[in-house]
Amino acid sequence: DSGVTQTPKHLITATGQRVTLRCSPRSGDLSVYWYQQSLDQGLQFLIQYYNGEERAKGNILERFSAQQFPDLHSELNLSSLELGDSALYFCASSVRGNYGYTFGSGTRLTVV
Amino acid sequence: GIQVEQSPPDLILQEGANSTLRCNFSDSVNNLQWFHQNPWGQLINLFYIPSGTKQNGRLSATTVATERYSLLYISSSQTTDSGVYFCAVMNYGGSQGNLIFGKGTKLSVKP
Repeated sequence: DSGVTQTPKHLITATGQRVTLRCSPRSGDLSVYWYQQSLDQGLQFLIQYYNGEERAKGNILERFSAQQFPDLHSELNLSSLELGDSALYFCASSVRGNYGYTFGSGTRLTVV
Repeated sequence: GIQVEQSPPDLILQEGANSTLRCNFSDSVNNLQWFHQNPWGQLINLFYIPSGTKQNGRLSATTVATERYSLLYISSSQTTDSGVYFCAVMNYGGSQGNLIFGKGTKLSVKP
């Protein structure tokens, strides 16, 4: 157990639907990062939050949004889902930005 | 943006063999990490090593920041070492949190 908890582990949904992925960071970590891993794009950075505030944005689609709550857990919302959104979504956390990252076990999203 | 190249892309070893994985990057970095993704998909942080040398059991890593490369050494490999090894970097000019991953080295250790 890495200390970063992601739920659910698996999710199957239909095109056009909306889903929410949840992440609880490791105790004491203030930064949360979301990554998408697909076969063709590899591991892509989506977005970072630090202590409740958005800090950096990567290749995140407008249909996707995220937030970090006062208890530091984070949620990634994916809407108007397309087949191409099928991927493994990882959450990671760190004390601050320039330290080692700890990844959760991921949420495998399948859009049918 | 910064480019990260890992070599070799694939590596097949017999159990007990040693190996060296390489990561080249195109710009100065202030964060470099090595990860192992096991066959079940879990990403495990092996080293945070923006410079210098570290060792953890059978694994060690060296980053020569001035020459823009890092090496991961695996000694006496075991079947449980199988999986994909990723190098990831963040450069001084990049937005914080934008850890750029290489394409990985897929390692298969045969019994």
